[in-house]
Amino acid sequence: SQQGEEDPQALSIQEGENATMNCSYKTSINNLQWYRQNSGRGLVHLILIRSNEREKHSGRLRVTLDTSKKSSSLLITASRAADTASYFCATDDQTSGTYKYIFGTGTRLKVLA
Amino acid sequence: NAGVMQNPRHLVRRRGQEARLRCSPMKGHSHVYWYRQLPEEGLKFMVYLQKENIIDESGMPKERFSAEFPKEGPSILRIQQVVRGDSAAYFCASSPTPGNTEAFFGQGTRLTVV
Repeated sequence: SQQGEEDPQALSIQEGENATMNCSYKTSINNLQWYRQNSGRGLVHLILIRSNEREKHSGRLRVTLDTSKKSSSLLITASRAADTASYFCATDDQTSGTYKYIFGTGTRLKVLA
Repeated sequence: NAGVMQNPRHLVRRRGQEARLRCSPMKGHSHVYWYRQLPEEGLKFMVYLQKENIIDESGMPKERFSAEFPKEGPSILRIQQVVRGDSAAYFCASSPTPGNTEAFFGQGTRLTVV
């Protein structure tokens, strides 16, 4: 079953606005990662946040993690048309003990110029 | 250092044929993961392999699908007697260690069954 669920499923904003995407997961994790996927392409790793971290920044990206609520958010500030893509969260599945990465359903972001 | 290489990028097979998808992990990576993605959907885990070992195949369909990662050469995802429902994008990822590091993805193989 899916480990993560992203919210919203789709988001459309104007260039320059901020975009916030949320991810909820079900089990204990060691870390949570966010990936971007441009249409028809592979996934690009954006940021990894460990379970003992609460917030992490990378350029225009800000990720928060709340392990008590089993949720994470990805904030993209000052969005650009080039940010148009699908965004996925992924967690390491501890339940199986094999540390495979489990992906959420994704948020499709559209940034209008 | 080349990234994760998948080939072919596009594969067309008739129903009943076999599909073989290849994945060469990044240099130094011994952990390989295969995922399937249907249009407008997320990535569904299929199998996790290390060299010569299947670690977790809990996402693999029970029949027709198999995977290997030999000591030498790429990882192979094999689909026998393909059906239209197998049409999807198949992505491979690799990592140097399991779990606590980022996984690097290939560009995927888009399988179309006609």
